[in-house]
Amino acid sequence: DAGVTQSPTHLIKTRGQQVTLRCSPKSGHDTVSWYQQALGQGPQFIFQYYEEEERQRGNFPDRFSGHQFPNYSSELNVNALLLGDSALYLCASSHRVTKEADTQYFGPGTRLTVL
Amino acid sequence: LAKTTQPISMDSYEGQEVNITCSHNNIATNDYITWYQQFPSQGPRFIIQGYKTKVTNEVASLFIPADRKSSTLSLPRVSLSDTAVYYCLVAGGDTDKLIFGTGTRLQVFP
Repeated sequence: DAGVTQSPTHLIKTRGQQVTLRCSPKSGHDTVSWYQQALGQGPQFIFQYYEEEERQRGNFPDRFSGHQFPNYSSELNVNALLLGDSALYLCASSHRVTKEADTQYFGPGTRLTVL
Repeated sequence: LAKTTQPISMDSYEGQEVNITCSHNNIATNDYITWYQQFPSQGPRFIIQGYKTKVTNEVASLFIPADRKSSTLSLPRVSLSDTAVYYCLVAGGDTDKLIFGTGTRLQVFP
């Protein structure tokens, strides 16, 4: 049973560029959440996708956008990159239909470095 | 703001039991308590989740008192590989975003 996968593992971009990160959820999961984790900090919630729509959003600017595909995989896009966007980007998947708290399972992350 | 408070760091030695306590005074009725472990440059790994009383799995136990305003993660007989950051979170089924605090940095010494 494959867990959450993310690609690429590492990425180096320059300021002003755009980047797309990809995530495939754990088998059986239909909800994908994205988090940004700066060095030494806990992960910060960016947004969540379910049924191909953004359902919740954290305190991130519109430069951060996403998409969910019919197969539940997801992309995170960041435009006009800033130095401060350098971080570990984490994808987490869960199964929304369960009555109990939706346990989120995280992928290995994508390390983005903006120069 | 994180909904939980936990110690910034803890030290232990191999073979000891480690208990990390987390405060969540404003926990909601439908909130569950979840603990994650994170190694550097890796995604958080789910450890255990509970609603009340005690939950035990193959790696840890979670103790939750009746008022649910705190919880304690218990790691039996830690090893060097348990050196990591441990996050305590509360979230309900209809509140899917996880709000992480700074976590507890556990250092295990030989």
